[in-house]
Amino acid sequence: DGGITQSPKYLFRKEGQNVTLSCEQNLNHDAMYWYRQDPGQGLRLIYYSQIVNDFQKGDIAEGYSVSREKKESFPLTVTSAQKNPTAFYLCASRASGETQYFGPGTRLLVL
Amino acid sequence: GESVGLHLPTLSVQEGDNSIINCAYSNSASDYFIWYKQESGKGPQFIIDIRSNMDKRQGQRVTVLLNKTVKHLSLQIAATQPGDSAVYFCAENTGGFKTIFGAGTRLFVKA
Repeated sequence: DGGITQSPKYLFRKEGQNVTLSCEQNLNHDAMYWYRQDPGQGLRLIYYSQIVNDFQKGDIAEGYSVSREKKESFPLTVTSAQKNPTAFYLCASRASGETQYFGPGTRLLVL
Repeated sequence: GESVGLHLPTLSVQEGDNSIINCAYSNSASDYFIWYKQESGKGPQFIIDIRSNMDKRQGQRVTVLLNKTVKHLSLQIAATQPGDSAVYFCAENTGGFKTIFGAGTRLFVKA
């Protein structure tokens, strides 16, 4: 998994609850990304960050929030506004001009 | 493990045969292309990449071919093994921080 860790592996959310997915990298990469993956579909970009204290919305940012207080960490919060959160969430990081490397993923399930 | 794609295009090959997975990319300005392998329940794993100034690049048992005229990318796997069974994604990058991922192809290897 190239020095990128995600936790937990499985996460259960109750209706109306916010949950936070962790992503940490020790690759000294500037850019970090969050993707959502649903069965039968490719990766869809939720948020990305090119540098500490800066991030941009991706294609499906509604119902999600992020922070980038440290270079190594890019946590994703799935808020209660996200009505269909069940999916496989992937974090990635990248050095400028290079390929993205992915973490092992977190599967979010709704109780 | 969890399925990452229930309705993906599927390629079924006999163990020992060569596999060819194809991908049409969307942006003629893309200058960097990557192939990823994703096993069930895991994050995508980098396989091989190619830049737009090349037509072919070889790795260990894998070859990527790029045809910029028709915006086509292919991944060839020699002597396919059961461990090659996975979903394969192509990805394109135009030099910025965002990467566009294809929907993926599921490869089944029959023993």
